[in-house]
Amino acid sequence: EPEVTQTPSHQVTQMGQEVILRCVPISNHLYFYWYRQILGQKVEFLVSFYNNEISEKSEIFDDQFSVERPDGSNFTLKIRSTKLEDSAMYFCASSEGQGESNTGELFFGEGSRLTVL
Amino acid sequence: KNEVEQSPQNLTAQEGEFITINCSYSVGISALHWLQQHPGGGIVSLFMLSSGKKKHGRLIATINIQEKHSSLHITASHPRDSAVYICAAPTGNQFYFGTGTSLTVIP
Repeated sequence: EPEVTQTPSHQVTQMGQEVILRCVPISNHLYFYWYRQILGQKVEFLVSFYNNEISEKSEIFDDQFSVERPDGSNFTLKIRSTKLEDSAMYFCASSEGQGESNTGELFFGEGSRLTVL
Repeated sequence: KNEVEQSPQNLTAQEGEFITINCSYSVGISALHWLQQHPGGGIVSLFMLSSGKKKHGRLIATINIQEKHSSLHITASHPRDSAVYICAAPTGNQFYFGTGTSLTVIP
């Protein structure tokens, strides 16, 4: 069964360092997402990506964050200068979607746990 | 302001009980997602529904678009159903998540 894969599963970094989290979505999917979940809190939407550009982003997704699909298979989330409050589980998801309005089922990766010290 | 509200937040049930988790939302959506988050943290999509009812095994999800309300039911609950159940409402390409309902099923 096709699945979304994420690497690394856990990363520990020093405050101020750059972090890149990687995701390989399901190959025929068109919509890609990053979410985060701070320990003990609810899942929060960060960004959606379609047709090689950001289609929506939340208030959390400020200038420190960027996403990229560098090679047609990987979908990366970069945090330029990490802060303590960036410590969270980051989930990638993808869906087939339908045209402009995505109603496709979401397929999640296992998550990347980021710990900022 | 929470665009998606779930109840209850926590639920403990005896094995075999019928369980209902509720979700109300304030945003305009075309479909609602029910997700299951395992104790290890992984998230699995259970249902995506835009009207009526869907059934998968012992799980049933219903939605009333006019009332902006959805329910997830688990029949004959089992300890392996213990997880956090999350409803998520997409609007445009953004998703609003409920805080989750933590379910514990006791043998």
